Amino acid sequence: AQKVTQAQTEISVVEKEDVTLDCVYETRDTTYYLFWYKQPPSGELVFLIRRNSFDEQNEISGRYSWNFQKSTSSFNFTITASQVVDSAVYFCALSEADRGSTLGRLYFGRGTQLTVWP
Amino acid sequence: EAQVTQNPRYLITVTGKKLTVTCSQNMNHEYMSWYRQDPGLGLRQIYYSMNVEVTDKGDVPEGYKVSRKEKRNFPLILESPSPNQTSLYFCASRSRTGYTDTQYFGPGTRLTVL
Repeated sequence: AQKVTQAQTEISVVEKEDVTLDCVYETRDTTYYLFWYKQPPSGELVFLIRRNSFDEQNEISGRYSWNFQKSTSSFNFTITASQVVDSAVYFCALSEADRGSTLGRLYFGRGTQLTVWP
Repeated sequence: EAQVTQNPRYLITVTGKKLTVTCSQNMNHEYMSWYRQDPGLGLRQIYYSMNVEVTDKGDVPEGYKVSRKEKRNFPLILESPSPNQTSLYFCASRSRTGYTDTQYFGPGTRLTVL
């Protein structure tokens, strides 16, 4: 079973629309971390955010916001007023901290390709 | 500047010709790992290393070898590459200190095996 599910394979929006990328995770650990990475067309992986399992506060950074809900095992990412430069593949990832042997391993979702049209 | 470097960035080779992709980090991180990225599959871990001389298999280790003789370097070795190893490869490193669990990724190596 996948530990991280990104059900949306592709999303297309028009500039200035808001868009939410979904991420559902699965873990039995009580301590874990959730991440979002952006992969622009140039191919590098850009770290966006890390949340630990003890902090359910939502976070806002400019046009980006993240909604972490342990009750539904979700860590969704919203881009407000999207721009063409937001076009990229976005990956959600999970790292479990309770087991020493897998400490630090990142489990990635399959990614969501976001295309923002002008 | 803190960074993870990989070389080469692009490589085209033929089946069976041994190759090595180098990875180096300057952050004194204990933990390093290799991932491959394939369309529709996301990133999958190949091998990881918790420290010098300590390596272990990830989810897709077949056809790959690694070594960790020094803390800063973690090369990925393909002894006999095959076309199904055509992929985008990422090296990553992280520290093991407490809750600062952010992995830093290299720029990627795009490998084509003909």
